[in-house]
Amino acid sequence: AQRVTQPEKLLSVFKGAPVELKCNYSYSGSPELFWYVQYSRQRLQLLLRHISRESIKGFTADLNKGETSFHLKKPFAQEEDSAMYYCAPFSSNTGKLIFGQGTTLQVKP
Amino acid sequence: DTGVSQNPRHKITKRGQNVTFRCDPISEHNRLYWYRQTLGQGPEFLTYFQNEAQLEKSRLLSDRFSAERPKGSFSTLEIQRTEQGDSAMYLCASVRGGLDTGELFFGEGSRLTVL
Repeated sequence: AQRVTQPEKLLSVFKGAPVELKCNYSYSGSPELFWYVQYSRQRLQLLLRHISRESIKGFTADLNKGETSFHLKKPFAQEEDSAMYYCAPFSSNTGKLIFGQGTTLQVKP
Repeated sequence: DTGVSQNPRHKITKRGQNVTFRCDPISEHNRLYWYRQTLGQGPEFLTYFQNEAQLEKSRLLSDRFSAERPKGSFSTLEIQRTEQGDSAMYLCASVRGGLDTGELFFGEGSRLTVL
């Protein structure tokens, strides 16, 4: 069965601290992995995709196929990073994007 | 272009009533998705369209739910005989191009409250 696990519902850190939001997936085939973010009172939006291998707003994510993980990292958290983050694998076979339960990141001043 | 538009933004209804939500995707986006999101959960896939063709529908979706995209542009999601468990945020998203990307553009959602 296709499954996405984000083990932490809430991650609270102080400004300037490193951040790692965990994501593990169980998926048939080779899914494409995404992170989506939802800031307060804003619509859900794409943060980054593993294929592009780029850094967005200081965030990076490395796909580890052996561990089936796609953790999101940022070395120095900022208050404006406070939001809900969703890990989402996409299967080109089915055309479906499946979301994890999400992790709320709270960055304290 | 103002992005994906959803109407109404909020709907309060009594149990047993029918409700319909509308989604206007970004122009020239030929794929359109519907998701449902309840408090504390991630968006749950409901169905999606490639142009006017409905390609997949979640097995979790009861027969009371139906979606259409008659001309391959806007889409409607109808819920018949609403139940309190249908209370949720209903999200629409669109994608440009074929079946090879998960880069979805989301609307702001339509919140349903069933009393």
